[in-house]
Amino acid sequence: DTGVSQDPRHKITKRGQNVTFRCDPISEHNRLYWYRQTLGQGPEFLTYFQNEAQLEKSRLLSDRFSAERPKGSFSTLEIQRTEQGDSAMYLCASSAYDQETQYFGPGTRLLVL
Amino acid sequence: QKEVEQDPGPLSVPEGAIVSLNCTYSNSAFQYFMWYRQYSRKGPELLMYTYSSGNKEDGRFTAQVDKSSKYISLFIRDSQPSDSATYLCAMSWMDSSYKLIFGSGTRLLVRP
Repeated sequence: DTGVSQDPRHKITKRGQNVTFRCDPISEHNRLYWYRQTLGQGPEFLTYFQNEAQLEKSRLLSDRFSAERPKGSFSTLEIQRTEQGDSAMYLCASSAYDQETQYFGPGTRLLVL
Repeated sequence: QKEVEQDPGPLSVPEGAIVSLNCTYSNSAFQYFMWYRQYSRKGPELLMYTYSSGNKEDGRFTAQVDKSSKYISLFIRDSQPSDSATYLCAMSWMDSSYKLIFGSGTRLLVRP
């Protein structure tokens, strides 16, 4: 296993469309995180899973956003009715239960036209 | 005021220089301190991790944490053009999620 993978790497969509991103964490990492990064800013926390349970959500995660992690393996992040303000890099990270360090994937760059 | 402040740069240095990157923070609960390197259009790559106060060295990189001043630093010795990237500081504390709070990043350019 070479690290966290994300798919797709790039997504261009029109305003109002739904999009879904996938994250595959490092195997046996039971913690999984989603972050959002806009140009010139550091990543901002969106949500956190421990195994299949979504334990924390940021206020940034509006009702149009939903995340799942069925069976505690890969995770998906869906954005419904996309808005231009959703344009950003969406990053996934994972960590082992007894570690504080997180390892990031390459990100999915979303552009909403 | 942001919880973590970081000078955005850009910081331009000649090859071989010693680089000093810094962050300040306001939340005294932070216990875990990390530095990530991010190349353009890539995900952040973990460089250094430090728990609580003190120094940690790894090759050309040294991380320092001063909790009394709420100040952390990353030093890069013998900087190389390949070190040109954005450097992000990140912090967390012992809660249920260990979510990271990031600075805005400092752009570093090492000139050949």
